[in-house]
Amino acid sequence: IQLTQSPTSVSASVGDRVSITCRASPGMGSGLAWYQQKPGKPPKLLIYDASTLESGVPSRFSGSGSGTEFTLTISSLQPGDFATYHCQQFDSYPFTFGPGTKVDIK
Amino acid sequence: QLQLQESGPGLLKPSETLSLTCTVSDDSISSTSYFWGWIRQPPGKGLEWIGNIYHSGKTYINPSLKSRVTMSVDTSKTQFSLKMSSVTAADTAVYFCARQGDFWSGDHITRFFDYWSQGTLVTVSS
Repeated sequence: IQLTQSPTSVSASVGDRVSITCRASPGMGSGLAWYQQKPGKPPKLLIYDASTLESGVPSRFSGSGSGTEFTLTISSLQPGDFATYHCQQFDSYPFTFGPGTKVDIK
Repeated sequence: QLQLQESGPGLLKPSETLSLTCTVSDDSISSTSYFWGWIRQPPGKGLEWIGNIYHSGKTYINPSLKSRVTMSVDTSKTQFSLKMSSVTAADTAVYFCARQGDFWSGDHITRFFDYWSQGTLVTVSS
């Protein structure tokens, strides 16, 4: 399953609502996860099963979608949210990642 | 708090074999609820799943790397290992090990990487 992400990068301000799309080809089930990665750090799990929030992750993060299109939404961007976001599918082997979306400060 | 720590050489020459070991801080490596994975990230690029291993030794390996990759697990030492033969400059990357949750959720299997190592940079250069 090939994953693409859009946009490749987005410039936003604190308080903005940001949405990132992950498209799967071919379509898949709900086995999609979202991670946040900051420079020099490992990815951090945010969302799994497309929409389940990982324990301890702020509720401003949410995930949705099915089939071929999935979305990660940050409802109100906070200073610590500037990072790169990756989607990953666990629906079928080989597991694959999207290319990443960088969220930076406008 | 679970911790994973890789160990292994950071500099290799082309054609050598990459060997990394990931030490898990508790005995969850023997749990039926987890696989243990390897993921890499070339500098400035995206993440690539290399493969994973179960406590029984069952492995799933990315077909793009399968001819060069072997994985093993030693539950008595709470370690799992990656070997990649015939490395080239294209294998230069930060290598992560991670715990993969793997749970039956009624009508599907829930999977995710919830704990990651800090990552180790492996450079292949002559």
